[in-house]
Amino acid sequence: GDSVTQMEGPVTLSEEAFLTINCTYTATGYPSLFWYVQYPGEGLQLLLKATKADDKGSNKGFEATYRKETTSFHLEKGSVQVSDSAVYFCALSLNTGGFKTIFGAGTRLFVKA
Amino acid sequence: DSGVTQTPKHLITATGQRVTLRCSPRSGDLSVYWYQQSLDQGLQFLIQYYNGEERAKGNILERFSAQQFPDLHSELNLSSLELGDSALYFCASSANRISSYNEQFFGPGTRLTVL
Repeated sequence: GDSVTQMEGPVTLSEEAFLTINCTYTATGYPSLFWYVQYPGEGLQLLLKATKADDKGSNKGFEATYRKETTSFHLEKGSVQVSDSAVYFCALSLNTGGFKTIFGAGTRLFVKA
Repeated sequence: DSGVTQTPKHLITATGQRVTLRCSPRSGDLSVYWYQQSLDQGLQFLIQYYNGEERAKGNILERFSAQQFPDLHSELNLSSLELGDSALYFCASSANRISSYNEQFFGPGTRLTVL
C-alpha cells in the first residue's frame, strides 16, 4: 500500500548546524510530495511542496527535491535556528477522485542555542 | 491563524459515549479534511469532503462518520467511544479547485480524552 517513511527522531542540533531529515515513499501512481511543520500546541503548516520529479520545493531556507528514481524527498536546511524546533512531517497526496494524503510518523527537531 | 476553526478545544468523555466535533473552513474553501493524531498511530487521514460530498476516505472506523453542510462547515461524529480513540483530531480545508492538489490549512485541533 501507499506509505511514507521518515527518519526517527528526535534530532538534536546546535544552532547553525546543517539539517537533513530523510523521507522515502511508496505509492501507486504519481504522488505530490510535501513537508509540513507543527510547532508546539499548533496545527500543521505547509512548509514546502513538489508536484513532479526533479522539482525542488523551498521555503524559509528549507529545501527538498522530488527524486523519483530513489522515491525520496529529503528535507535540508543549511543553518538551523532555535526557532526551527518543531515536528516535521513528510507527506504524499494521491488523486483518487479526491485527495488522499498520507503522512509520515513525524521527526521532532530540537535546536540548541 | 490559519482561518480554520474547530470546536471544542478539549473534550473529556467516557467509554461508550458519542461526541461531535465541529470544523469551520477558511472563507471560500470548499474542501474539508479530517485527521486523527495519536502517539502510537501518528497522523492518520480519515476523510475528505468537497462541497458537501464525500471525496476520499482513509482509515476511518465504521463507528466514525462525518458530513459537510450547505454552509460548508463539517462535523465529525464519533460513537461507541473506546479508550484508544483518545487523540487530537484536526480539521483542514483547501481551496475550491478539485482537479489538482491545493495547500491544506489546518485548524488548531480538538483534543479528545476518553476515560
